[in-house]
Amino acid sequence: DVKVTQSSRYLVKRTGEKVFLECVQDMDHENMFWYRQDPGLGLRLIYFSYDVKMKEKGDIPEGYSVSREKKERFSLILESASTNQTSMYLCASSFLSSSAVQETQYFGPGTRLLVL
Amino acid sequence: AQKITQTQPGMFVQEKEAVTLDCTYDTSDPSYGLFWYKQPSSGEMIFLIYQGSYDQQNATEGRYSLNFQKARKSANLVISASQLGDSAMYFCAMREAMGTGRRALTFGSGTRLQVQP
Repeated sequence: DVKVTQSSRYLVKRTGEKVFLECVQDMDHENMFWYRQDPGLGLRLIYFSYDVKMKEKGDIPEGYSVSREKKERFSLILESASTNQTSMYLCASSFLSSSAVQETQYFGPGTRLLVL
Repeated sequence: AQKITQTQPGMFVQEKEAVTLDCTYDTSDPSYGLFWYKQPSSGEMIFLIYQGSYDQQNATEGRYSLNFQKARKSANLVISASQLGDSAMYFCAMREAMGTGRRALTFGSGTRLQVQP
């Protein structure tokens, strides 16, 4: 079974703090993703990575950065947390396929972040 | 324009009955894939079913089937014989071949399904 784990299920931080969200997958997947989920908006892509040290911006990268030093680990960093970053954060991973439309993403359990 | 539209914010169904969750999509790309995910209250997104734009037959996975109507750009999820454990949020998602440089999915806003005993 594919296993994607996230470092915390719930996190409470203060405005201005630097926040690290960690994601680890055990299936040797090339692609890893960070999404943000808000009610009524579905999931929106923050960043994705297709290889170690490679990253690309998604739809809402402002206020976030990422790090991928090892293939199995993809970190999301909130440089200076703000209240509008209170949300559910979901990490996902997938194999790199020659037929990209078929790539199935597998998700972690999510981190519910509250910024006070 | 939204790429993925799920018009039903919430749905109720009686246990053991079938239910259809609607999804329409918008793309000019002839090659694309459509996915359905289930999200229980625990938060994890669970992959249910996949349909490719060139697939001739509707996808099926156990009690899940996808009613794919290409000309109408709809990809409705049908759950047969609903169970209490089917109560969850359901998301429709799409990946277009032209956007595969990003390899990310575009999600709809979701439908909350509640199965009643």
